[in-house]
This record gives sequence, structure tokens and C-alpha cells, in this order.
Amino acid sequence: TQLLEQSPQFLSIQEGENLTVYCNSSSVFSSLQWYRQEPGEGPVLLVTVVTGGEVKKLKRLTFQFGDARKDSSLHITAAQPGDTGLYLCAGAGSGGSNYKLTFGKGTLLTVNP
Amino acid sequence: KAGVTQTPRYLIKTRGQQVTLSCSPISGHRSVSWYQQTPGQGLQFLFEYFSETQRNKGNFPGRFSGRQFSNSRSEMNVSTLELGDSALYLCASSPATLLRETQYFGPGTRLLVL
Repeated sequence: TQLLEQSPQFLSIQEGENLTVYCNSSSVFSSLQWYRQEPGEGPVLLVTVVTGGEVKKLKRLTFQFGDARKDSSLHITAAQPGDTGLYLCAGAGSGGSNYKLTFGKGTLLTVNP
Repeated sequence: KAGVTQTPRYLIKTRGQQVTLSCSPISGHRSVSWYQQTPGQGLQFLFEYFSETQRNKGNFPGRFSGRQFSNSRSEMNVSTLELGDSALYLCASSPATLLRETQYFGPGTRLLVL
């Protein structure tokens, strides 16, 4: 069974601070996705990383896939209240299918104004 | 295009009852996946349907079942409800022409079992 561990579980910071969220596994994933989920909504895809060592940037968000494709990190620069939400990582296993994703339990981020 | 819609949005049932949840995918999407989300276990994969056939299945008991219709709409059914079935049930749709396509999630159905 492939498991994804996310840390920290909860994070409360002030507007303007930087933060990093981690997603770790002992298993190799063919790709890894990051989602953000807001209350009352379903998860919304932020990014997919596929290649070991890959770095992708989305405005103030930087995503990195570990060289061994077992871990990933999400770094947010100068966090804003609009970044508040549940951040989920999800891995696609052997075969690379995204139709059967393994999710971490998420990091609940609160950015205070 | 309209997003993924799920009905009902909220549901209260009692133990032993059964429930059917509905998911309408984005127009043109042929794959529908179902997930259960709880605070303790997070998001867990239930099953995935493509062209009316179950293509992938998670580790849930047989009380959880689903089906997909010719128009790609999908339903999931939970029989003999237990308290632990209280959760947010999410469906996600995808065009299913490539392995790594984005899945688009609906807002979910929140089920409370009393």
C-alpha cells in the first residue's frame, strides 16, 4: 500500500510570511499532484510534477518533486489570506494513471491578516 | 462548460439504511472517480468508472458500489449504513484520453449517519 505523509498537519501564519509544506513517501510515484481545497468545495488542482528533481512555479507557489520521486514540497512566498485552505498532495502509482490517486491527509493552512 | 455536479449536497441517514449519491461529470468527460474524505483518513479512493465499466477499485467493503450510465453520469450506493460512513463523498471526472489528465472534482455530498 502506497502512503503519503504530509507535514505539518496544521499551520497558522501571519500574512507576508513564507512557509513550506512537505509530502513524503517510501514509495515511488510516477507523478505527484498538489491540490487546494476550500471549505464546502472539492479539491482544485494546482500543479502536476512528473520528472524527478522537477521544479514548477505558480506565481508565489513553488513545487518540487524529489530526485527519487518519493517526496515533494510546496513553498509559498509572502503568504496572503487568500492562500488559506487545505493543501493536499496526491500520487499516481505504477502505470501512471491519475484515475486512482493516493492522497495525503493534507496540511490545513491559515493565513491571518 | 459547467463543472462537476453532485446531488444531493447534504444527506442525513440512520444506521442500516442505504443511500444513493449522484454525480454528473463535465460534458465530454468519460471517466468518473469516487473518493471518501474523512478527518481521520483523509481522501480515499473508492472506485473509477469508464464507459459504464468499473476500471479501478479501492479497498472498501462490498457495501460500497457504483455504476455509470451511457451518458457518463455516475451513481454510488452504500448499503447498510454504519456510523463510520459519515464523510464527504467526492466525485471527479476526466476526459480519459491520457493517463495523466487532470481530474476535476465536484463539491461533494456530505453524508451524516446517525
